[in-house]
Amino acid sequence: DTGVSQNPRHKITKRGQNVTFRCDPISEHNRLYWYRQTLGQGPEFLTYFQNEAQLEKSRLLSDRFSAERPKGSFSTLEIQRTEQGDSAMYLCASSLGAGKYNEQFFGPGTRLTVL
Amino acid sequence: AQSVTQLGSHVSVSEGALVLLRCNYSSSVPPYLFWYVQYPNQGLQLLLKYTTGATLVKGINGFEAEFKKSETSFHLTKPSAHMSDAAEYFCAVSGSNTGNQFYFGTGTSLTVIP
Repeated sequence: DTGVSQNPRHKITKRGQNVTFRCDPISEHNRLYWYRQTLGQGPEFLTYFQNEAQLEKSRLLSDRFSAERPKGSFSTLEIQRTEQGDSAMYLCASSLGAGKYNEQFFGPGTRLTVL
Repeated sequence: AQSVTQLGSHVSVSEGALVLLRCNYSSSVPPYLFWYVQYPNQGLQLLLKYTTGATLVKGINGFEAEFKKSETSFHLTKPSAHMSDAAEYFCAVSGSNTGNQFYFGTGTSLTVIP
């Protein structure tokens, strides 16, 4: 399977705990994106990487959130001190480049539930 | 800045009837436009995209969309609905100058009535 993969698919945690999600993009894609999707809404942009550089962050990405892509391949999204409002689907996408080459391929998502 | 408005959060059609899902966009630069479909508990799958060239674009599963600059619209259509088309549909826009993040609409849930 050469698509975007995300792990875990589901995560249930208690408020205040830290969680980490992983995204493996399509291998030749140098751009990687994180989105958050809440019930009844479209995905909202969080951040994106070009290779290992994090080039843009949304104001939705509070200081409790941190994302890394250390070797320009897989990426991790960590949420510290989770809150109930963090409950959402976290989607990862990758693309080959910018502009008309920015066709983003999405993974299946990680559904986070904070109790 | 870019944004997307999808009129109608829920659309119901009979099996075999025309599907029309509306999308209007706002963009300060020539836009790139996309339609994605999302089935329950799954990620988003690209249906079709407009970047440049022909304004009528054809996608997978018999869907097509027409870019109308004068109306700032990119409506999605399918001549004959199938039961398998029942899903959530999202319209998205990105800017041709940076082509970075996508701005998504709030989605339209399509129900197909047998």
